[in-house]
Amino acid sequence: DQQVKQNSPSLSVQEGRISILNCDYTNSMFDYFLWYKKYPAEGPTFLISISSIKDKNEDGRFTVFLNKSAKHLSLHIVPSQPGDSAVYFCAASGGSNYKLTFGKGTLLTVNP
Amino acid sequence: DADVTQTPRNRITKTGKRIMLECSQTKGHDRMYWYRQDPGLGLRLIYYSFDVKDINKGEISDGYSVSRQAQAKFSLSLESAIPNQTALYFCATSDTYIAGADNEQFFGPGTRLTVL
Repeated sequence: DQQVKQNSPSLSVQEGRISILNCDYTNSMFDYFLWYKKYPAEGPTFLISISSIKDKNEDGRFTVFLNKSAKHLSLHIVPSQPGDSAVYFCAASGGSNYKLTFGKGTLLTVNP
Repeated sequence: DADVTQTPRNRITKTGKRIMLECSQTKGHDRMYWYRQDPGLGLRLIYYSFDVKDINKGEISDGYSVSRQAQAKFSLSLESAIPNQTALYFCATSDTYIAGADNEQFFGPGTRLTVL
């Protein structure tokens, strides 16, 4: 049973526009959520995170929104740039358990 | 120099061979993890270690074993490799003491393993 779901395998946007990547989770014990970015031939790199006590966290062009009642989070990238083209993984963890559960990833392509 | 390194970066082997993938880190983190990535399946946890004396199975540990030789080293072994273990393998580390970001993990560059 997949506890973290990224239902869109891919997303294509134009440079300068907004990219919205979505993630749903089923485990109510999750209280910390992260987004990772992965380029080909490299390991995933941490992008941004949010605790369940917040509903928004912003870092430059990247904003993560958390809707706990819907068990849904989203990553907004504004404005999108060609260098943002990568696979984005949503991940979650719960309580004192520091394991991360990852979604399957969404391939973002930003077209010039 | 990279904080988390993995060797080898690429490996092709045959069914039944024993393979060891190695991970080293200079971040001083206590926690280390092994994941595999398969197309369309994301990252799945194989084993994790919270310190040198603590080893735990992840969600897909069958067919794998690990050794935590030191705080900085965590190796993954495939005792008898099989083709469905063909995947990208990632090592990761995390720090116990970063308040508010306890769960952030730092990944190595990955090892591409092909089992023929």
